[in-house]
Amino acid sequence: DQQVKQNSPSLSVQEGRISILNCDYTNSMFDYFLWYKKYPAEGPTFLISISSIKDKNEDGRFTVFLNKSAKHLSLHIVPSQPGDSAVYFCAASATNYGQNFVFGPGTRLSVLP
Amino acid sequence: ETGVTQTPRHLVMGMTNKKSLKCEQHLGHNAMYWYKQSAKKPLELMFVYNFKEQTENNSVPSRFSPECPNSSHLFLHLHTLQPEDSALYLCASSQINRDRDYGYTFGSGTRLTVV
Repeated sequence: DQQVKQNSPSLSVQEGRISILNCDYTNSMFDYFLWYKKYPAEGPTFLISISSIKDKNEDGRFTVFLNKSAKHLSLHIVPSQPGDSAVYFCAASATNYGQNFVFGPGTRLSVLP
Repeated sequence: ETGVTQTPRHLVMGMTNKKSLKCEQHLGHNAMYWYKQSAKKPLELMFVYNFKEQTENNSVPSRFSPECPNSSHLFLHLHTLQPEDSALYLCASSQINRDRDYGYTFGSGTRLTVV
């Protein structure tokens, strides 16, 4: 049973518009969440994180929202750029020590020029 | 440069072969990890080395054998693999302390094909 779910395997967005990637989790003990971006033939790259004491974290064009009661988080990219086309992984952990992260299956984002 | 280097980038091996994957991190981190990414599946944590001691193995088959000689190097020794072991193997490192976690840094991975 997947503890971290990304129900959209793919998403296409027009350049300049907002991209919203969703992630749901089932384990209420998770208190630290990460988003990673992965290009083909490369390892995942850390993008942004959020701990459960916050409901929003922003870094440039990237904002992550956390809804603890719904066990849902989302990554917003505004404005979307063609270089954002990649696979995005959501990951969750029950500690902030960096071990035992559980990853979602990923969502492939395509930003169309 | 990524800070975490994996070699080789690609590996094709027969089911009776023995090979090793190598990972080296140049970030001064104190924890290293092996992950497996199969097609259409989430990343699977295989092994964790925290301060050179293995702390997690997640029931990985014994045909995968990790080795961590020091905090900068991590190996994954492979023997008598099966075709279903074909996947992308990712190494990662992180700095763990009481106050915060600095997040993972991944290598580019080794694409393994078992024939």
